[in-house]
Amino acid sequence: DQQVKQNSPSLSVQEGRISILNCDYTNSMFDYFLWYKKYPAEGPTFLISISSIKDKNEDGRFTVFLNKSAKHLSLHIVPSQPGDSAVYFCAAMTDDYKLSFGAGTTVTVRA
Amino acid sequence: GEEVAQTPKHLVRGEGQKAKLYCAPIKGHSYVFWYQQVLKNEFKFLISFQNENVFDETGMPKERFSAKCLPNSPCSLEIQATKLEDSAVYFCASSRSAPRTGINGYTFGSGTRLTVV
Repeated sequence: DQQVKQNSPSLSVQEGRISILNCDYTNSMFDYFLWYKKYPAEGPTFLISISSIKDKNEDGRFTVFLNKSAKHLSLHIVPSQPGDSAVYFCAAMTDDYKLSFGAGTTVTVRA
Repeated sequence: GEEVAQTPKHLVRGEGQKAKLYCAPIKGHSYVFWYQQVLKNEFKFLISFQNENVFDETGMPKERFSAKCLPNSPCSLEIQATKLEDSAVYFCASSRSAPRTGINGYTFGSGTRLTVV
């Protein structure tokens, strides 16, 4: 069963605007969340993470928001750049260190 | 080096043949993880190691899959008697410490694409 869900398979955004990617989870034992970016024929690259004791973490153009009561997190990218075009994966972890991944959202940044 | 090195990049096997994949974690990293990406975007955890010890093998199909991480050697994932359904990209990842104590999750290699024909 898919414990981490990314319900939007794709997102198209204009360069310079904000990209918002959403992720929902069902397992209340998840307490650490990560976003990865993936280009074709490459492995996922870590972007940003958040612990369940926080509700926001920011790193440059990337901000992750966590709403524990709703079991929802989102990734904001602002401003979006052409190099941001990739597949973005939401992932969650319990204390066993293994990641449960969402199905990914393909982001296309239009010039 | 500062990358997780996976070899080979591509591997083609006839159904029933053995497949062996290799992963050299980043030097100094003590945790190694294997994931299988079967469909285009679906990752499945297989097994993790802490140094040469199995940490979690709950994702491994034990009948045909085995893995090792021996000192001074690349880690390996071996599939005996491959089946068509084993066709996937296999990713290895490593982490210096327990992944939640660092800020970077863990670092993935670029994967080995296994095609079973």
